[in-house]
Amino acid sequence: AQKVTQAQTEISVVEKEDVTLDCVYETRDTTYYLFWYKQPPSGELVFLIRRNSFDEQNEISGRYSWNFQKSTSSFNFTITASQVVDSAVYFCALSGLDSGGSNYKLTFGKGTLLTVNP
Amino acid sequence: DTEVTQTPKHLVMGMTNKKSLKCEQHMGHRAMYWYKQKAKKPPELMFVYSYEKLSINESVPSRFSPECPNSSLLNLHLHALQPEDSALYLCASSSLAKNVYGYTFGSGTRLTVV
Repeated sequence: AQKVTQAQTEISVVEKEDVTLDCVYETRDTTYYLFWYKQPPSGELVFLIRRNSFDEQNEISGRYSWNFQKSTSSFNFTITASQVVDSAVYFCALSGLDSGGSNYKLTFGKGTLLTVNP
Repeated sequence: DTEVTQTPKHLVMGMTNKKSLKCEQHMGHRAMYWYKQKAKKPPELMFVYSYEKLSINESVPSRFSPECPNSSLLNLHLHALQPEDSALYLCASSSLAKNVYGYTFGSGTRLTVV
């Protein structure tokens, strides 16, 4: 079984603040993939990043950065100098084999609602 | 074309109606998915198709009937739904069943059952 925990239900910051969204996962697989998605009020899921279990290299993309640590089963996401347009629900997700061992399933955390105030 | 297209964007249906949701992709992806998302909740997996065959059914009630007529199309047939089935229905695809290249999601169909 696989599980993704996003302990922060809601976060509210003022524009230009840095904010970190936490994600902790559980899986028995040795090969798995981790994702972050953004869901604005319009509803579409916007892909942000994918990491496989063998690649612990941290990544920076503009104002976004991700810290993947297998030792703590965490895949945290930081937004630097937040902007109002960053306001959305952010989901961490894990793709691993289902209980039958033959299909990959994407399991989402409960999401973190980020509100960036002007 | 790097999109997953879902139609309609909005649907209101009565509990005795029969309707269908449609999902289309032309990225050559051979795995396709239906997710259901209630308000303020994460998406929940309903069905997975791999190479046009149903590979996962997450114990979804039979009033939801998926169909994959070809590698580009995925339908979800709806019949005798309940008001609690009102939700955002998301379709996704991936290039391989192993999801090496990640998932592409459509913008969803907002379904309201009255």
